[in-house]
Amino acid sequence: DGGITQSPKYLFRKEGQNVTLSCEQNLNHDAMYWYRQDPGQGLRLIYYSQIVNDFQKGDIAEGYSVSREKKESFPLTVTSAQKNPTAFYLCASRGGPKNIQYFGAGTRLSVL
Amino acid sequence: QKEVEQNSGPLSVPEGAIASLNCTYSDRVSQSFFWYRQYSGKSPELIMSIYSNGDKEDGRFTAQLNKASQYVSLLIRDSQPSDSATYLCAVIGNTGFQKLVFGTGTRLLVSP
Repeated sequence: DGGITQSPKYLFRKEGQNVTLSCEQNLNHDAMYWYRQDPGQGLRLIYYSQIVNDFQKGDIAEGYSVSREKKESFPLTVTSAQKNPTAFYLCASRGGPKNIQYFGAGTRLSVL
Repeated sequence: QKEVEQNSGPLSVPEGAIASLNCTYSDRVSQSFFWYRQYSGKSPELIMSIYSNGDKEDGRFTAQLNKASQYVSLLIRDSQPSDSATYLCAVIGNTGFQKLVFGTGTRLLVSP
């Protein structure tokens, strides 16, 4: 099946801990994105990548880091510097002739 | 002024009625427009894309685009309780690499 796989579905972070959210796509898309969604709120862009080995900060990058070593993978690390990490995290990729953006199922991160 | 604006709702319609969701955007060079549906606790899923002025129909859904007035709308005919969700409007420009810009969404409630 083609699509975007995010793991884990649920994640708990302890105080001072870094955690990494996985995002893998097999759609052969060049562009990948990470969004954060708080309850009842819209999507906020954290980081995006247009191509392998390149990425840019979005609107709320502080306390997060990413890497793009492979076209298929765009992991997001929530660092201890992110003081309010509890949210729903969505990974997306975009490409194809119609330039459609698709989303993964999301990871829900909570703080212990 | 926000780049993409939507009324947050909730928009309440009875079952069987037509639901009309509206979206305005500020970037005149925008060329691609999308409607996503997001159920509570789930990730957004694409339901319609539209690229040229006029109407585009897909089953019970019709997307309408008016570039001169900078608005895009989504009509849902014969609304069902299962259509109750938040509908996100998204817009992308046509110059270089453009991020998809999302509105904050309109919550639709369809009552039986």
